[in-house]
Amino acid sequence: DSGVTQTPKHLITATGQRVTLRCSPRSGDLSVYWYQQSLDQGLQFLIQYYNGEERAKGNILERFSAQQFPDLHSELNLSSLELGDSALYFCASSVEETQYFGPGTRLLVL
Amino acid sequence: GESVGLHLPTLSVQEGDNSIINCAYSNSASDYFIWYKQESGKGPQFIIDIRSNMDKRQGQRVTVLLNKTVKHLSLQIAATQPGDSAVYFCAEISNYNQGGKLIFGQGTELSVKP
Repeated sequence: DSGVTQTPKHLITATGQRVTLRCSPRSGDLSVYWYQQSLDQGLQFLIQYYNGEERAKGNILERFSAQQFPDLHSELNLSSLELGDSALYFCASSVEETQYFGPGTRLLVL
Repeated sequence: GESVGLHLPTLSVQEGDNSIINCAYSNSASDYFIWYKQESGKGPQFIIDIRSNMDKRQGQRVTVLLNKTVKHLSLQIAATQPGDSAVYFCAEISNYNQGGKLIFGQGTELSVKP
């Protein structure tokens, strides 16, 4: 157990819908990262937050957004969902370079 | 461009043998490397890391070797066990002060035969 928690574990929704994924980092970790894992793209970095502020951005679509709250938990919002958004979404947290991953949310868009 | 790739997509070893998983990276500015293990249905699990100012680092049954000359990284697992069966990813970070974005390789699936 890495200490990073994610909810929900599974999510099934329809195209055009909006969902919110939640992440709680390890105690004391100020950085939160979001990654997408799909069969054809592998693990791709989406976005990083540090102590509430956006720190780095990767290949995140404009339909996706994230935020980190004062209690350091983070949410990833995915809107106007498409079939191709079906994937595993992982959150990770860190103090310094080493990132510890949560169990992921499996999103299926039908 | 940035890329981290693995030479072999699958590796099959006998229980008790040593395993070697390889990874090539292209960004010579990368200064930190991590190996992760991912079991089916789970998130990546940290195994071992190494900084670019080191050539070798050892953990419990695992060793990571870094060859900066040829931009190559390897993970050695001693006395491989069935519980080691998983997909192994190498990942790199460059310019950590500008953000901790991890760039992952495609992964190698390790299968351990009893």
